[in-house]
Amino acid sequence: DAGVIQSPRHEVTEMGQEVTLRCKPISGHDYLFWYRQTMMRGLELLIYFNNNVPIDDSGMPEDRFSAKMPNASFSTLKIQPSEPRDSAVYFCASSTGVGTEAFFGQGTRLTVV
Amino acid sequence: DQQVKQNSPSLSVQEGRISILNCDYTNSMFDYFLWYKKYPAEGPTFLISISSIKDKNEDGRFTVFLNKSAKHLSLHIVPSQPGDSAVYFCAARIGGSGNKLTFGGGTRVLVKP
Repeated sequence: DAGVIQSPRHEVTEMGQEVTLRCKPISGHDYLFWYRQTMMRGLELLIYFNNNVPIDDSGMPEDRFSAKMPNASFSTLKIQPSEPRDSAVYFCASSTGVGTEAFFGQGTRLTVV
Repeated sequence: DQQVKQNSPSLSVQEGRISILNCDYTNSMFDYFLWYKKYPAEGPTFLISISSIKDKNEDGRFTVFLNKSAKHLSLHIVPSQPGDSAVYFCAARIGGSGNKLTFGGGTRVLVKP
């Protein structure tokens, strides 16, 4: 399996622009997670899905952030409008269920200028 | 409120010696703990885990110890190898929450040849 695939690997955008991050989980995994890594807050969970349904979005920082999972093989994290403080590395992860570890993608480094 | 803390941001050890990484947590609802390893420009990769019903789990050179009364766990790497140089994250999960993980801030390990 190719593992969790994220795109793009790097994104530089101007403040106020819309940004969309993409994730393809490992086939057969029914949990999908979006994490954000910053120097100040470390790795924090933004939202996670089970069987394409959002279960917990309490980590989503503001209404500017939204995430969707239209099918089992694709998810997006959108920021609109983006702000410089959104600059971070965003990771997507997937897993098969309770009691198993999550597998992470390589991350998307977002820079908002 | 940091529920999972890694108080040592960095650790330097000589090749062949033991590396000991520490992690403290505050939430007694955590029932499963994991260690992840992260190289630069890559996503975290799962290393080893332990259930709260155990106090030790071993996998090759890696051993995780759990002290529930102290709310403390540690990762021992012996012998340490230069390829172990990475950032190590401790993570914890509450039972029934799916695979929602709370991460510590990470410890950067440098193994000197």
